[in-house]
Amino acid sequence: EAQVTQNPRYLITVTGKKLTVTCSQNMNHEYMSWYRQDPGLGLRQIYYSMNVEVTDKGDVPEGYKVSRKEKRNFPLILESPSPNQTSLYFCASSPFWGGELFFGEGSRLTVL
Amino acid sequence: LAKTTQPISMDSYEGQEVNITCSHNNIATNDYITWYQQFPSQGPRFIIQGYKTKVTNEVASLFIPADRKSSTLSLPRVSLSDTAVYYCLVGDISAGANNLFFGTGTRLTVIP
Repeated sequence: EAQVTQNPRYLITVTGKKLTVTCSQNMNHEYMSWYRQDPGLGLRQIYYSMNVEVTDKGDVPEGYKVSRKEKRNFPLILESPSPNQTSLYFCASSPFWGGELFFGEGSRLTVL
Repeated sequence: LAKTTQPISMDSYEGQEVNITCSHNNIATNDYITWYQQFPSQGPRFIIQGYKTKVTNEVASLFIPADRKSSTLSLPRVSLSDTAVYYCLVGDISAGANNLFFGTGTRLTVIP
């Protein structure tokens, strides 16, 4: 089944404790991206990747890192999480930039 | 990057046709218009994409006037399961490094 898989789906952590949210797609898509969703602010893009080893900042990249060493994986790294990074995170992939985006089920992160 | 303006919310009764309009006054020549649907606690799902005039698929129709400064998503005979947030996006699908702006979308509530 074609899908985008995120892990973990739910996580409660404390300020400063590094964490990684994994994202994997099995559709051989070139384009992948991360979004965060907050009440009243809609979906905002954090980082995106046009292909392996090609990443770029979205609208709200501060406090996040990403890597794209393999085509199928695009992990989101929070080196030192802070409470303002408490949010619902979505990973998405597309066969090309501007194509239909396929979203994962979301990862709800709480930073205390 | 063309930004979009949509109504924050709409209500409709079951069985009615719903039209959600999106304003994109700064749309560029190469920009396409794409609509996504998001149910609570799920990632957005692609509905329809178009460039001009009218596009129809099994789920919805998209009407784009000649000046392309707005577009209308039409959902025929809505049911309770169509209650969701609908996002209008505008972007150049042939461009290189760029990103898509989701905004806050339109929250559609279908009433029995």
